[in-house]
Parts: sequence; structure tokens; C-alpha cells
Amino acid sequence: DAEITQSPRHKITETGRQVTLACHQTWNHNNMFWYRQDLGHGLRLIHYSYGVQDTNKGEVSDGYSVSRSNTEDLPLTLESAASSQTSVYFCASSESAGGQETQYFGPGTRLLVL
Amino acid sequence: GDSVTQMEGPVTLSEEAFLTINCTYTATGYPSLFWYVQYPGEGLQLLLKATKADDKGSNKGFEATYRKETTSFHLEKGSVQVSDSAVYFCALSNTNAGKSTFGDGTTLTVKP
Repeated sequence: DAEITQSPRHKITETGRQVTLACHQTWNHNNMFWYRQDLGHGLRLIHYSYGVQDTNKGEVSDGYSVSRSNTEDLPLTLESAASSQTSVYFCASSESAGGQETQYFGPGTRLLVL
Repeated sequence: GDSVTQMEGPVTLSEEAFLTINCTYTATGYPSLFWYVQYPGEGLQLLLKATKADDKGSNKGFEATYRKETTSFHLEKGSVQVSDSAVYFCALSNTNAGKSTFGDGTTLTVKP
């Protein structure tokens, strides 16, 4: 069965360190997304990609970067982790369907920045 | 820009009670509307969707009707179970945009 996986599921790091969160999907979807989920803020879009070599900034992209070298993977990098980036991070993917896209979510990565 | 406003939580109900979670939206064009559910410790998953006005989405006893005149997509269930305890997100996806806009989520707790 097709799926979307994230690793690691839990991560503790220190401020200033670079951290990369992995996202891998086997749906063969063109669209991939990274969100963060914080109490009181719902889901906020960090970065997204519509295909290989395409990346776009979302509403909370400062301090984060992504790259898309193949269809399956969209790793999220925190360039210099800050305590404000402590959150739960979700990756999602969807096929291109003219505005009717259902997003398929990974199980999430819980990140703690000390 | 597009936005989704949903009923603030948390919502606590007794088993077999009737559930309504309100959702209204603002969007240009003709969006598709979704309800996603997030069980504890998991990612979001699609509960139901509707792609055009007057469509009714349904799944697992939940229903929502796409009302363009009131820009609403309220989630209802006639008799909730303890296993329905979760966070529910209303969302929209706009034509050719690819992205979805999510509400803040409503936490539902069902007590036996």
C-alpha cells in the first residue's frame, strides 16, 4: 500500500544546530507540503513543492528550507534551530487534481529544541 | 486570501449525543471543502469531502453539506461514540492552487 512516512518521529536538539526532518511518500504524488502544528495555531504551512526542482515558501518559512530532488522525498531543514521551532511537524502529499486534492499526511515528527 | 473559520473547542459530549461542528469559509472561485480528523498521536486523515455546491459528503456516520449561499460546511453526526474523540479540521482547496487552507481544529471528547 502507498504511504507517507516521516523520520525521526521524535527529535531533541539544541539551539543553533542544523536539523533535517525526512519525508518520503510512495503515492507518486507531485505535490508535497510541510506544516507545523502548535496549540492555538492549527496547521501552518512552511514550504511546499509542486514537483521535482520546484519549491515555494509558505506562511511561516523563515528559518526553514526544503529541496526536491526526486518525486518521493521532501526533506525539511532547520538551518539553525531555535526554541520557537519546537513543534510537531507534518508532511503531506497530494496529486494534482484541479483544486479537488485530498492531502495525505504522515504521522508527524515531534521536535524539541532546548 | 482564502480562510476557514471553525467552531472553537473543546467540545465535550456524552456517548450517543448529536454532534455539530460549525465551519465557514471565505474563498474566491469554487473551492472543494474537506473535513479531516486527527486521532491522538497521528497525522490528519480525510474524513469526508464535497467538491461543489449542494454536495453532501459522508463517511462513518458523519455528514457535511456544501452550502455556497451561507459559505458553510458544518460537520454533523447523529450519535457519537467514544472512539470519535479526536481533533477535527475543516479545510478548503481552491482551483488549481494545489494548497489547502485549514481551520484551527476543534477538539472533541466523547464520554461514556
